[in-house]
Formats: sequence, structure tokens, C-alpha cells
Amino acid sequence: KAGVTQTPRYLIKTRGQQVTLSCSPISGHRSVSWYQQTPGQGLQFLFEYFSETQRNKGNFPGRFSGRQFSNSRSEMNVSTLELGDSALYLCASSYTDRSYNEQFFGPGTRLTVL
Amino acid sequence: AQKITQTQPGMFVQEKEAVTLDCTYDTSDPSYGLFWYKQPSSGEMIFLIYQGSYDQQNATEGRYSLNFQKARKSANLVISASQLGDSAMYFCAMRDSPSNTGKLIFGQGTTLQVKP
Repeated sequence: KAGVTQTPRYLIKTRGQQVTLSCSPISGHRSVSWYQQTPGQGLQFLFEYFSETQRNKGNFPGRFSGRQFSNSRSEMNVSTLELGDSALYLCASSYTDRSYNEQFFGPGTRLTVL
Repeated sequence: AQKITQTQPGMFVQEKEAVTLDCTYDTSDPSYGLFWYKQPSSGEMIFLIYQGSYDQQNATEGRYSLNFQKARKSANLVISASQLGDSAMYFCAMRDSPSNTGKLIFGQGTTLQVKP
């Protein structure tokens, strides 16, 4: 069974640009969550989607948005990039959104904003 | 508010010895899940072990075991017979479901270095 895939793996952008990251969950998984990892703030929850509906959103500005498609694939978008958006963005999938379901992570997209 | 605390920023262990990584948590929800992940330098988060709040026995997965002490709100990870490949960052995380969401709350992580 294929794992969670994220594209692209590396990305370099300049301030003010926008970026779209993609995540394909494990086949059969309906829940996709996104996390931002930085050395200073650690791992922070961005948002979670389940069956195309955003179930929860972390404490991030409106420049961060996402969506989930009917095949459970998810995208997140960051508009008007700032230097502080440089981070590793991790996507995780699980079968449901219940607390007892493990989340499996993808390899991440490393975003650098210059 | 839900919180995960990992008090050991860095740990060293000799190869083939056992090591315990500490994790304490705080939640008011009686139903929750506790997870440990390993993150090598490549960045990918690797799921290691899961413990549910209602599980009666401590979880084990190969060389990994979770020392779950519910009354003390601790969920320490024990790695037996350490290997050089165990050198990585380890994260404790909690997922609770007061509003049926799957959000994971992570601790700050512990860097483990295994010495030959």
C-alpha cells in the first residue's frame, strides 16, 4: 500500500508570491491534516479535512487555506508569502478523524521564502 | 487546554542499551489517543506506537513500548536495545476528540543520539 505522498518536496519562493502544496493520502483514508514545522514554533496544526469538509483550523492567518477533493487528495495554499512562512509542511492521513486512528505522515514539503 | 510536555531536549544512549523518553500530557477529555513519532534528519514523521486512553495494557510494538500511567498523565516511550538507526528526533503527540476532530498536539520533541 502506497504511503502519503506530498508534492513538491522542495520549493523556493519570494515574498509576496503564493504557493500551492499537494497531498495524496493513503488509499482509503478520508481524513487529511496539515502541519507546519519550524525550529522556533515546533509542530503546529494548520487544518484538517474529512470528506471534503474542513473540520478544524489552527491559529493561522487567513493567508493559509486548504481544500479536499472527492478522492481525498488535499491542497493547501499560502498567499502573499512572508519570510516566516519558511517551514516544513507536513501532511498526515488517517482512516477517520477519531482519536483512536493513527495518523500517517508524508515526507513533507520544505518551503523556503526569500 | 490540551498540552504535551517533553522535558528532555536531548538524550544520549549507548548502543544496545534501553532508553526512556519522557512525555506528560494534559487534557480534560476522558477519550484521547497518545502517539509517538520518530523524525529522522530526512524530515519524514514515522509513526511508532499508539496508546488509547481506555486501553488497559501498555502498548508495545517490537522494540518500542509505551509506559502509560494514566493517573500521572504520563506516556513515556521505552526503546529497548538501541540501534544507531534510532538516532532521531522523537515526538509525543495527543489526539483528543471533544469536538470530533483529528488534530494532533505535539510536544517539543527529544533528540536522541545513540553512541556506538
